Amino acid sequence: AQSVAQPEDQVNVAEGNPLTVKCTYSVSGNPYLFWYVQYPNRGLQFLLKYITGDNLVKGSYGFEAEFNKSQTSFHLKKPSALVSDSALYFCAVRSPSGTYKYIFGTGTRLKVLA
Amino acid sequence: GAVVSQHPSWVICKSGTSVKIECRSLDFQATTMFWYRQFPKQSLMLMATSNEGSKATYEQGVEKDKFLINHASLTLSTLTVTSAHPEDSSFYICSARVLAGGIVGDNEQFFGPGTRLTVL
Repeated sequence: AQSVAQPEDQVNVAEGNPLTVKCTYSVSGNPYLFWYVQYPNRGLQFLLKYITGDNLVKGSYGFEAEFNKSQTSFHLKKPSALVSDSALYFCAVRSPSGTYKYIFGTGTRLKVLA
Repeated sequence: GAVVSQHPSWVICKSGTSVKIECRSLDFQATTMFWYRQFPKQSLMLMATSNEGSKATYEQGVEKDKFLINHASLTLSTLTVTSAHPEDSSFYICSARVLAGGIVGDNEQFFGPGTRLTVL
């Protein structure tokens, strides 16, 4: 069965510091991996995805993520955090074939402190 | 481009009544739409997959007679919560998959802003 784990409920980081939000996955075959961000009472906004190719994926708003097949991880990173980055972040996975159904992690709340 | 809207954005209803939530893809066609439910401080749980012109596919544990889904056109899917009860109170989010597996700005699935349902 496919699954996604986000081990941290909350991550606090000072503004200007680098941030990392962790995600590990379990899926048969080659996964399609995604990161989304959610602001209060809003839907999800797409940040980036990995399908194939370069393990370092660059996305929206200066975010990037590194795919590590051996560790089955897809951590989200940003070199310099902004207060406005404070939000709820979701990692998601789907099988490369079939129904396009996403399995989401439990979410990590990022708090960037001024 | 690729905007998904939901209506209403919030609704309060009495226990026992039915509530309809609309999900529209505004500037693209979507053969498939998904309905999720999100509890406070929790992840999104997929409820069902809605395909245009056919019956929805429900996830295990989701009552299809309680959560009626209709996908009448390539731009509209509706979720009706029938005989709502307080435990149905939640944040409901839909997403729409771009027609024929297309990509818009490197994204393949677009999410609506959500509908907060409160059942008294």
